[in-house]
Amino acid sequence: DAKTTQPNSMESNEEEPVHLPCNHSTISGTDYIHWYRQLPSQGPEYVIHGLTSNVNNRMASLAIAEDRKSSTLILHRATLRDAAVYYCILRDQGGANNLFFGTGTRLTVIP
Amino acid sequence: EAQVTQNPRYLITVTGKKLTVTCSQNMNHEYMSWYRQDPGLGLRQIYYSMNVEVTDKGDVPEGYKVSRKEKRNFPLILESPSPNQTSLYFCASSYGGDNYGYTFGSGTRLTVV
Repeated sequence: DAKTTQPNSMESNEEEPVHLPCNHSTISGTDYIHWYRQLPSQGPEYVIHGLTSNVNNRMASLAIAEDRKSSTLILHRATLRDAAVYYCILRDQGGANNLFFGTGTRLTVIP
Repeated sequence: EAQVTQNPRYLITVTGKKLTVTCSQNMNHEYMSWYRQDPGLGLRQIYYSMNVEVTDKGDVPEGYKVSRKEKRNFPLILESPSPNQTSLYFCASSYGGDNYGYTFGSGTRLTVV
């Protein structure tokens, strides 16, 4: 799977929007962009994924750049419960069924 | 509730004593997988299974075995545990393919002394 680059850490104030960036300059045309998060002492949790178009669900929005070399996970109103490590992962259609998590971005939410 | 259930949550064992960590999912997922998480190394895949009776090695399979006799269960077996297998283990399942998300269990913290 292609490599992604994320900032090690970010901070946000509670109830403000958070934009978590991910660079994936070597993405191929068939790679899906997946986001997971891991809350303290819990297993990873699926957040959202997309291929080309922006995606929204009840947890977050995913904005994908037109050239697909970067994407941004958007939490519209951060809560304390959103404090976690967020992982951006590329999945290749038909590729090995492995999620390469990398080091992710540790999000701190300030009350 | 759709979930992946792992047992036990915590386990302390001695070197060489065979153990099994169970994993069960109630979502009729074809795909199941085991990961281990270690500080500084992140999550790494141990084994995965595309369907019943189909298993394959992940990135760090040494010292582990798995079986997939039923669709819902995917146990992780350590025949002769060693201290370097002390880790946090996660089981995951999915419908398979890249257009589906994965559901993870809550984890099993294993300590081998």
